[in-house]
Amino acid sequence: KNQVEQSPQSLIILEGKNCTLQCNYTVSPFSNLRWYKQDTGRGPVSLTIMTFSENTKSNGRYTATLDADTKQSSLHITASQLSDSASYICVVSEGSSGSARQLTFGSGTQLTVLP
Amino acid sequence: EAQVTQNPRYLITVTGKKLTVTCSQNMNHEYMSWYRQDPGLGLRQIYYSMNVEVTDKGDVPEGYKVSRKEKRNFPLILESPSPNQTSLYFCASSSPSGGYEQYFGPGTRLTVT
Repeated sequence: KNQVEQSPQSLIILEGKNCTLQCNYTVSPFSNLRWYKQDTGRGPVSLTIMTFSENTKSNGRYTATLDADTKQSSLHITASQLSDSASYICVVSEGSSGSARQLTFGSGTQLTVLP
Repeated sequence: EAQVTQNPRYLITVTGKKLTVTCSQNMNHEYMSWYRQDPGLGLRQIYYSMNVEVTDKGDVPEGYKVSRKEKRNFPLILESPSPNQTSLYFCASSSPSGGYEQYFGPGTRLTVT
């Protein structure tokens, strides 16, 4: 069964600090991996999408890495801000097309940034 | 503005009373999906649609129905809601031309008593 596991489940950091969130997956065949940010009570918003051939992708202060050999990804947040407080969800797409049908979602990491 | 809209945003209802949650997107996306999100379980797909009149079950379809009569709309129907369908529901759309990047709606919080 395809699985996506995220760690830690929750994380508290001080404003201005960096942090790294982890995602391990067993989805096969792999198409792409996405990181989403979800504010409380709102819909997820895409941060990055990486295909098999990409091992790093950045979006402002967010940098995602992918190691397709070990089936691991990480999301690094630099110089955290209070607005970074949210749940971060790792989503892996199965198959050759990456379509919406074949997505496996992680349970998310709840990040809290304190002043 | 490109967006996915859902209505209502909040709904409290009683067991057995049929309800419909609407979803509409203005991006001309082919794919649309419905998800439910429960604490500790993450997002789980209920139904998805690849295009007009083409729908298929996701991982947790029991107790739900959908239809796709128009490309922009994808309503979720609960014909006889039960308390275990109390959840936060999200509609999402995507397109192959956009790399299947999913755009999510704002969510509908449903409580069934």
